Amino acid sequence: AQSVTQPDIHITVSEGASLELRCNYSYGATPYLFWYVQSPGQGLQLLLKYFSGDTLVQGIKGFEAEFKRSQSSFNLRKPSVHWSDAAEYFCAVGARSYDKVIFGPGTSLSVIP
Amino acid sequence: GAVVSQHPSWVICKSGTSVKIECRSLDFQATTMFWYRQFPKQSLMLMATSNEGSKATYEQGVEKDKFLINHASLTLSTLTVTSAHPEDSSFYICSPPYKDSYEQYFGPGTRLTVT
Repeated sequence: AQSVTQPDIHITVSEGASLELRCNYSYGATPYLFWYVQSPGQGLQLLLKYFSGDTLVQGIKGFEAEFKRSQSSFNLRKPSVHWSDAAEYFCAVGARSYDKVIFGPGTSLSVIP
Repeated sequence: GAVVSQHPSWVICKSGTSVKIECRSLDFQATTMFWYRQFPKQSLMLMATSNEGSKATYEQGVEKDKFLINHASLTLSTLTVTSAHPEDSSFYICSPPYKDSYEQYFGPGTRLTVT
């Protein structure tokens, strides 16, 4: 069964600084990988996904993530954080198409103006 | 693709009563729907899988007699929380199995508060 970990429970960055959120997964084959963002009291918004092909994935809101098979990682990055990026970020993994998704514990991002 | 709606978006009920949450697929047919639960400041946990025309399957630790799931048609799956208690207060989200062509995979969620 697949699983995912997010080592950082909470991260604080200054506005304008770069950001990297870590995600590691466990799965025997190539997984389907997702990053979601959730603002307080809101639903989930898909930032980006990796199914196959180019291992550097571009998403919405200036986010990107890189799939590294050798490290079993799918870290999320943004070159310059905005105050509106403060939210909860979830990495998720799926085993195959048309399947359920398993979520990591989440990383809470705070942004200092 | 994969637009999912949930109703209600927010509900408050008294302890001991039952609440039904609807999940509708608007632009596709779903033979399967996943139900997730999110407690405050926690991640999403898969509760159960509903299958059109057959019984739902539940994850370990989820009471199937308390959380009744029905997949009435290819566009409607429902979750009924029976004899709700304050500890059932949570955010409930439905999701179809993902496909590469889908833009979003999760419904907007239903926030249940049991008083």
